[in-house]
Amino acid sequence: DAGVIQSPRHEVTEMGQEVTLRCKPISGHDYLFWYRQTMMRGLELLIYFNNNVPIDDSGMPEDRFSAKMPNASFSTLKIQPSEPRDSAVYFCASSLGGRGVNQPQHFGDGTRLSIL
Amino acid sequence: AQTVTQSQPEMSVQEAETVTLSCTYDTSESDYYLFWYKQPPSRQMILVIRQEAYKQQNATENRFSVNFQKAAKSFSLKISDSQLGDAAMYFCAYRSAYGGNQFYFGTGTSLTVIP
Repeated sequence: DAGVIQSPRHEVTEMGQEVTLRCKPISGHDYLFWYRQTMMRGLELLIYFNNNVPIDDSGMPEDRFSAKMPNASFSTLKIQPSEPRDSAVYFCASSLGGRGVNQPQHFGDGTRLSIL
Repeated sequence: AQTVTQSQPEMSVQEAETVTLSCTYDTSESDYYLFWYKQPPSRQMILVIRQEAYKQQNATENRFSVNFQKAAKSFSLKISDSQLGDAAMYFCAYRSAYGGNQFYFGTGTSLTVIP
């Protein structure tokens, strides 16, 4: 069974460029999460979706960040324009949710983003 | 919002010895789930063990076990017979049982295993 698939695995780009990170959740999972991990701030939740609908985007740092989930098998996180302080590892995770459902989050391998 | 605290930024253990990583959490809920994740240098986030708050029995997965103290809101991870492959960052996480499915992660403990 395939896990959460993220692409690209590494991205290096120049400041000001648009960056798009992609995620394919595990089939059948109804929740999808985007996290950012840095040494300084640890693991931060940026946004999460339930049944393709954004539920909480309070962690999105600013308007330069946007996320979409057009269908149950695909999500994107976009940064436009990118800045050096956006450099981090970005994780996508998916899970089965709902009350009383003891399911962990399954993480992708992450995208290491470097903005020069 | 719930908070999860890991008070040990770094720990070390001798190979084959036992180490315990601490985690405390703050919640007013009575039903929830707790998890430990491992993140090795490869940066994958790997589920190690999970615990349901309504269960009194501590969860065990091979060399990994937890000490769950609900009244104290404590959820420590014990690694027995430590191996070099156990070296990683370990994250404690909380999830409400009342839906929503948001996880609250601690700041992590970096574990070094000394040969």
